[in-house]
Amino acid sequence: EVQLVESGGGLVQPGASLKLSCVASGFTFSDYWMSWVRQTPGKTMEWIGDIKYDGSYTNYAPSLKNRFTISRDNAKSTLYLQMSNVRSEDTATYYCTSRSYWGQGVMVTVSS
Amino acid sequence: DIQMTQSPSVLSASVGDRVTLNCKASQNINKYLNWYQQKLGEAPKLLIYNTNNLQTGIPSRFSGSGSGTDYTLTISSLQPEDVATYFCFQHNSWPTFGAGTKLELK
Repeated sequence: EVQLVESGGGLVQPGASLKLSCVASGFTFSDYWMSWVRQTPGKTMEWIGDIKYDGSYTNYAPSLKNRFTISRDNAKSTLYLQMSNVRSEDTATYYCTSRSYWGQGVMVTVSS
Repeated sequence: DIQMTQSPSVLSASVGDRVTLNCKASQNINKYLNWYQQKLGEAPKLLIYNTNNLQTGIPSRFSGSGSGTDYTLTISSLQPEDVATYFCFQHNSWPTFGAGTKLELK
């Protein structure tokens, strides 16, 4: 059974950094491009970016490129999202996805 | 970015009804259109990929069609478990989602 399990969310202050993780199982993680998507409290979905199966290429939403970094560790079947200088508008549920499969999501709340 | 417009935003229907959800792209997306179902408090689930391909394990009452800028998700006979929000998603270029159609039981 395919599973994607995100972690690392929570309440953070504006300007702080946060790193989300997503552990994959049930499929050959290293064969797949992976992505992060976020869903705002108003339910709007936003594609954050992608990473190639070997980690050699990443692609980001232009509005997030300077603050968010996607990486992966194929030996650990884990996807990461490093968020820096977070803002209130980054408050959302963050999902990792292979496009076919999605994790349950992790909530990030940015507030002082 | 390509804008995806879904209609209606809310749809009320009865069990057994044939239901049609619409998605319109701001430009041609070459059938690179997926449909996701999201139930309350859950992650999105892929139903249809590339316009008309049923994802493994999804009931055959779900089907998709379309081309160019206009796409449709059809549920042939609505079941109570189909209550959810449905998102269209284009991956012809930078991926974007529609705002969703909330499907309710009448």
